[in-house]
Amino acid sequence: SQQGEEDPQALSIQEGENATMNCSYKTSINNLQWYRQNSGRGLVHLILIRSNEREKHSGRLRVTLDTSKKSSSLLITASRAADTASYFCAIRTGGFKTIFGAGTRLFVKA
Amino acid sequence: DTEVTQTPKHLVMGMTNKKSLKCEQHMGHRAMYWYKQKAKKPPELMFVYSYEKLSINESVPSRFSPECPNSSLLNLHLHALQPEDSALYLCASSQDLGTGGEKLFFGSGTQLSVL
Repeated sequence: SQQGEEDPQALSIQEGENATMNCSYKTSINNLQWYRQNSGRGLVHLILIRSNEREKHSGRLRVTLDTSKKSSSLLITASRAADTASYFCAIRTGGFKTIFGAGTRLFVKA
Repeated sequence: DTEVTQTPKHLVMGMTNKKSLKCEQHMGHRAMYWYKQKAKKPPELMFVYSYEKLSINESVPSRFSPECPNSSLLNLHLHALQPEDSALYLCASSQDLGTGGEKLFFGSGTQLSVL
């Protein structure tokens, strides 16, 4: 598999707390993306970080990328009940394929 | 319009039926994708079209037959499916397959049940 693991597989936190999800991959990448999926729905693009970038912010989202360790993390600050969803990292390979990781299921309790 | 529209939302079919899934986008995107997603699993790439031509087929069984009649439409024709093909089928589009087209826009999917 070109894609590694995401951890944790599931995360349950209280509203207002921060949530951190990690993603590892195995191949060289052009970029890494994070997507969100509400139950049984389509995926929504959250943020993209290129291989020459180390950190990126978008609103309450912070993404880091460590290409030497082939890993990325997504931090959601001040979480809300509406953040409850599955979060997937995805890598774009040189063959133009976007491959998704196993995902982290986040549950934010109000 | 930043929507990808998929129809139907739900489909139940027998193993001898022939059905089609439809996907439409009006963002001027020139790359379109089919993904299959089983419950609590990540989406798995099936097909990629670029400028209406099939670019990637991830060794998908021939009972799944994609078609891209024009730049806005993508179909997935289904025939003689198996119960294990039951899944959420997601369509996505992107600007193209180049640097500007990494971001995928997804439809809400078709939940398929094969009896």
